[in-house]
Amino acid sequence: EPEVTQTPSHQVTQMGQEVILRCVPISNHLYFYWYRQILGQKVEFLVSFYNNEISEKSEIFDDQFSVERPDGSNFTLKIRSTKLEDSAMYFCASSDRWENSPLHFGNGTRLTVT
Amino acid sequence: GQQVMQIPQYQHVQEGEDFTTYCNSSTTLSNIQWYKQRPGGHPVFLIQLVKSGEVKKQKRLTFQFGEAKKDSSLHITATQTTDVGTYFCAGLLSSNTGKLIFGQGTTLQVKP
Repeated sequence: EPEVTQTPSHQVTQMGQEVILRCVPISNHLYFYWYRQILGQKVEFLVSFYNNEISEKSEIFDDQFSVERPDGSNFTLKIRSTKLEDSAMYFCASSDRWENSPLHFGNGTRLTVT
Repeated sequence: GQQVMQIPQYQHVQEGEDFTTYCNSSTTLSNIQWYKQRPGGHPVFLIQLVKSGEVKKQKRLTFQFGEAKKDSSLHITATQTTDVGTYFCAGLLSSNTGKLIFGQGTTLQVKP
């Protein structure tokens, strides 16, 4: 079964540094998402993306965050200047349509900001 | 803001007992989806409910969507140790952006 793949699985960075989290969505999916999960807490929506544009973003997704689809297969999340509170598991997901379609999640990238 | 509340937060049961988790939204949902997350894993899609009052079954799991499309439940009959994990409901608020709002999750522990 096709999978969403994410790299790296674990990223440790110092406060103030930039990080890029990478995702390869399922190949025939057109809708992409980033969610995050602080340890032991709920899964929080960050952003949805379609047709090379952000469709919706949450209040968490401030100017420090950006997303990009640099080529036909990758989907990236960049955090420009990391803060301690950015430490979380970041999940990429994809789906084949907006409505009535399950999200397929990757295994996540655990980001630790020190 | 838009919220999806889920209770209970934790549930410990003896193997063979039943388990139920409940979800409630502050606004009407386009649909509701359920996901299971094993410890250290990622959310895995279980099912989605679209119609008002819909009931779906998957073996020992029964999912319901309320008449007002604001509440939902997941019931597991005769739990097994393989049911261990966190169960999340997730409500779709907007069909134009795909934004799913997750509940806080219910973590199920099953004692053999």
